[in-house]
Amino acid sequence: AQKVTQAQTEISVVEKEDVTLDCVYETRDTTYYLFWYKQPPSGELVFLIRRNSFDEQNEISGRYSWNFQKSTSSFNFTITASQVVDSAVYFCALFRTLTFGKGTMLLVSP
Amino acid sequence: GAGVSQSPRYKVAKRGQDVALRCDPISGHVSLFWYQQALGQGPEFLTYFQNEAQLDKSGLPSDRFFAERPEGSVSTLKIQRTQQEDSAVYLCASSGQAINTDTQYFGPGTRLTVL
Repeated sequence: AQKVTQAQTEISVVEKEDVTLDCVYETRDTTYYLFWYKQPPSGELVFLIRRNSFDEQNEISGRYSWNFQKSTSSFNFTITASQVVDSAVYFCALFRTLTFGKGTMLLVSP
Repeated sequence: GAGVSQSPRYKVAKRGQDVALRCDPISGHVSLFWYQQALGQGPEFLTYFQNEAQLDKSGLPSDRFFAERPEGSVSTLKIQRTQQEDSAVYLCASSGQAINTDTQYFGPGTRLTVL
């Protein structure tokens, strides 16, 4: 079975706080790709990162960082020093099967 | 712009009507995907094209749903005899590679409301 679980439905933080969005996946494939997308109120999904199953190096891009741990089937996303513009729904996705999680709504207040 | 565009952005249909939703992918993108996103849920895969060939239509919920991409560019998702449960946002995405693990770029979606 292919499944992506984002257990946090909604997270509220105050600006400048760090926040981590969890993603746990299930797959029988040995080769797969994991993604994070951001969906702001405008509705369009914005690509953030793509990671293949053979690359377990963590990645940092500005205030964003991703922690991929194959041993626990997790691909967590951390925003450092959150800003109001980070408010959106964030989706984790598993590709070959094109499976998305249900998303985590992040609300950053000033 | 150079992104994926979809039209119309909003569509209201009476139950039983047929609707057609259009997707213009990024120019030159080989692969095109349709998703359905219900309120408060993640996108759910409907169908996938590689050029004009529909390689996977396993996500289409019923035979009332039909998609085509006759010239390998613009795609149309058609829903016949719409039902209230068809109300959702329909997202289109395209990618440059002929594989379904490439990065997909999404359009703004069409919000369909069936009364």
